[in-house]
Amino acid sequence: ETGVTQSPTHLIKTRGQQVTLRCSSQSGHNTVSWYQQALGQGPQFIFQYYREEENGRGNFPPRFSGLQFPNYSSELNVNALELDDSALYLCASSQSPNQPQHFGDGTRLSIL
Amino acid sequence: GQQLNQSPQSMFIQEGEDVSMNCTSSSIFNTWLWYKQEPGEGPVLLIALYKAGELTSNGRLTAQFGITRKDSFLNISASIPSDVGIYFCAGQSGSGANSKLTFGKGITLSVRP
Repeated sequence: ETGVTQSPTHLIKTRGQQVTLRCSSQSGHNTVSWYQQALGQGPQFIFQYYREEENGRGNFPPRFSGLQFPNYSSELNVNALELDDSALYLCASSQSPNQPQHFGDGTRLSIL
Repeated sequence: GQQLNQSPQSMFIQEGEDVSMNCTSSSIFNTWLWYKQEPGEGPVLLIALYKAGELTSNGRLTAQFGITRKDSFLNISASIPSDVGIYFCAGQSGSGANSKLTFGKGITLSVRP
């Protein structure tokens, strides 16, 4: 059984640029959640997608957006990157919105 | 917003010792989860708890869902060097749009051989 996979593993961008991060959910999982983890902190919820629809959003500005595809894979898009966006971005999938979430190894995003 | 409290930030124990970690919240959660994160990796689910008072074990790990639904603890018995990592508690307050996880700041565990 393949777990949650994320790409790329590392990314360097400059302020003002746009970035797309990708996530493949675990087999049999239809729900994907995205989290931002700053250094020394716990993950912070960005949003969740369930059956291709947004199913809840945390306290992040609209320049953070996402998509979920028919195969339940997902993208996180961030526009107008700011220095504070430097973090580990984690994707988690689950069998349904209220089932335990299983995480990928994340994308380390650095903004210069 | 909701916050989970985990303290201390770091714990240092001797190999073979038991260790217990607490997590408290000002809000009620319907599900408590414990994750472990190692450098360069994402959090790995250790134990999930679904009912107030529930006590669940996974090998040397035991966790309990507090009866007030505002706290949980994780116990690791007979620690070994590979127990090193950051331990996060997470609460899930609802279903559907409220099914997000709220995490604590984590406890970094060091095990001296």
